[in-house]
Amino acid sequence: QAVVTQEPSLTVSPGGTVTLTCGSSTGAVTSGHYPYWFQQKPGQAPRTLIYDTTNKHSWTPARFSGSLLGGKAALTLSGAQPEDEAEYYCLLTYSGPWVFGGGTKLTVL
Amino acid sequence: EVQLVESGGGLVQPGGSLRLSCAASGFSFSIYWMSWVRQAPGKGLEWVANINQDGSYYYYADSMKGRFTISRDNAKNSLYLQMNSVRAEDTAVYYCAGGDNADYWGQGSLVTVSS
Repeated sequence: QAVVTQEPSLTVSPGGTVTLTCGSSTGAVTSGHYPYWFQQKPGQAPRTLIYDTTNKHSWTPARFSGSLLGGKAALTLSGAQPEDEAEYYCLLTYSGPWVFGGGTKLTVL
Repeated sequence: EVQLVESGGGLVQPGGSLRLSCAASGFSFSIYWMSWVRQAPGKGLEWVANINQDGSYYYYADSMKGRFTISRDNAKNSLYLQMNSVRAEDTAVYYCAGGDNADYWGQGSLVTVSS
């Protein structure tokens, strides 16, 4: 199965902007991988933020956005808030099977 | 209110078996693909298996093939994971997830494989 890669950790200042990326060992990430982004805080279940590359759920704060960037899926946080400190996981689908990335620990400091 | 409630976790010996259940309510369970995802202590999320709406198609992560079986009972709004020949590395919180776009997640059920 494919390997999905994410930055292990990133730091952003309150009010700042940060981009998390998600790459695939099989080549460029495309919309056909239906990229997802999940947020998980300690002791909680994951929560879906972005699906199908760019789409948001009703509970997704407007400051989060998804895109494709340089052959990878990307999650951009614009105007970081302290409550955005969490682990973020991307998920790519490969015509049925799923593969999660290793997660990015985002620190807001 | 949408709910996914996992049950059946606990302590199991290496080589043993366990069946996890996930009871769904508050949404149209039968029209969605459903999934199991696990998370070992202090580690990241790992996809386990997916099953389609009527249970006729399913996919497994390579490390689970031949040992785990995903199934569902739409009449009971329930998803299952039969775990056989379990190993220490199967120790994890097991989440069920589903909905139109992985909208819904349960709170997880802890499975501990240890002698």
